Formats: sequence, C-alpha cells, structure tokens
Amino acid sequence: DTGVSQNPRHKITKRGQNVTFRCDPISEHNRLYWYRQTLGQGPEFLTYFQNEAQLEKSRLLSDRFSAERPKGSFSTLEIQRTEQGDSAMYLCASSLQVWGHEKLFFGSGTQLSVL
Amino acid sequence: GQQLNQSPQSMFIQEGEDVSMNCTSSSIFNTWLWYKQDPGEGPVLLIALYKAGELTSNGRLTAQFGITRKDSFLNISASIPSDVGIYFCAGQDNYGQNFVFGPGTRLSVLP
Repeated sequence: DTGVSQNPRHKITKRGQNVTFRCDPISEHNRLYWYRQTLGQGPEFLTYFQNEAQLEKSRLLSDRFSAERPKGSFSTLEIQRTEQGDSAMYLCASSLQVWGHEKLFFGSGTQLSVL
Repeated sequence: GQQLNQSPQSMFIQEGEDVSMNCTSSSIFNTWLWYKQDPGEGPVLLIALYKAGELTSNGRLTAQFGITRKDSFLNISASIPSDVGIYFCAGQDNYGQNFVFGPGTRLSVLP
C-alpha cells in the first residue's frame, strides 16, 4: 500500500499527558499537511511542510503543538500537556505540486481522546 | 480568514435519484477539490478542478469549477447506497498555500 499512513489510529490519554502522532506520506510527495477535524465539522488546517521546511502554521496551533518533518520524509505532530479540547481526529495529507496543480491525499487519521 | 459554505447541509434521497450540491466562497480560488468521507476514515479525493469553467467527471460524479472562481458544484447521478457519506469541498487560493475546507454535505440514500 503506497498511500498516506498514520499511526496510531486511536489514542486515549489523560489530560496533561504528552502525545505524538506519526505520518508517513506518499513517497514522492514534497508537501505534507496536518489538519484537525471535530465531529460534524470539516478539516481545519494546522500546518504544512514543503520538504523539511514548515511554511505555514495556523493560529489554531497553540504553543503546545509542534510538528516536525526531518529530512522531508515522515512527520510527527506532538501535543504537550493535552487538554480535553484537543480531542479530535488528526489528519495528515500529502501532495505533489506539479505546474501549480495540487491534490491532497489523506491518511486514515489518528483519533485522539483526552480524558 | 477564508471560509467556505456548503449547501445543502444534509440531504435524504431515494436510491437512483440524482444529487446536486455546491460550495461557495467569498474569496477567489485557483483549485477546487471534492472529497467523500466515511465515519472514522480520512477524506477520499473524488475530483480535482484547476480552471474556471472546467467540468470534470469521475464515473457517476461530475464537478464544475464556477466561472466566478468563487464556487464549485458536485453532481452525483443515479445514486446508490454506497454514496452515503459526507462530501467536502476544499479550495486553494492564488498563493498556493493551505487548502480551506467547507463544513460538508451529509448525504443519506434511502433504498
């Protein structure tokens, strides 16, 4: 399977704990995006990388959130001191921009529940 | 910030009927993407549009990039039960930065 892979699929944690999610993009894709989705809403943009450079971060991304993409391959999203409001589906997508044309391909997401 | 609106919010149709939904924005976009999402899964890309006026089909699905570049439409013909799900539009502006998503249209197909 050469699609976008996210791990873990589900994560249950207690408030105040740190969590880290991993995303493995489609191998030749140079862009990687993180989105957050709550029930009944569309995905909300968090941040994106072009290769290893983090080019844009949403104002939604508080100081407790950090994302990395070392070597421009896989990416990790860490949430420190989790709060109940962080409970959501965290989606990763990758894309290859060719002549200004871009398509996002999503992984299955990581469902986070903060108790 | 940029916001997308989708209508209708939800719809119930009979199997075999055609479906139309749309997505509007206050901003101009250069790219429109349409997705379908099943519960507990990530969105799956259905159609991508890159040019104003463009009409693109994928099986029973047809989508159009509005002439004003502020809207897009998705049609599903001869609906079947597996069409059930939430349909999202996403737009990308001139600067080629992030994609903004609409709130979705929930489709239910009655047998």
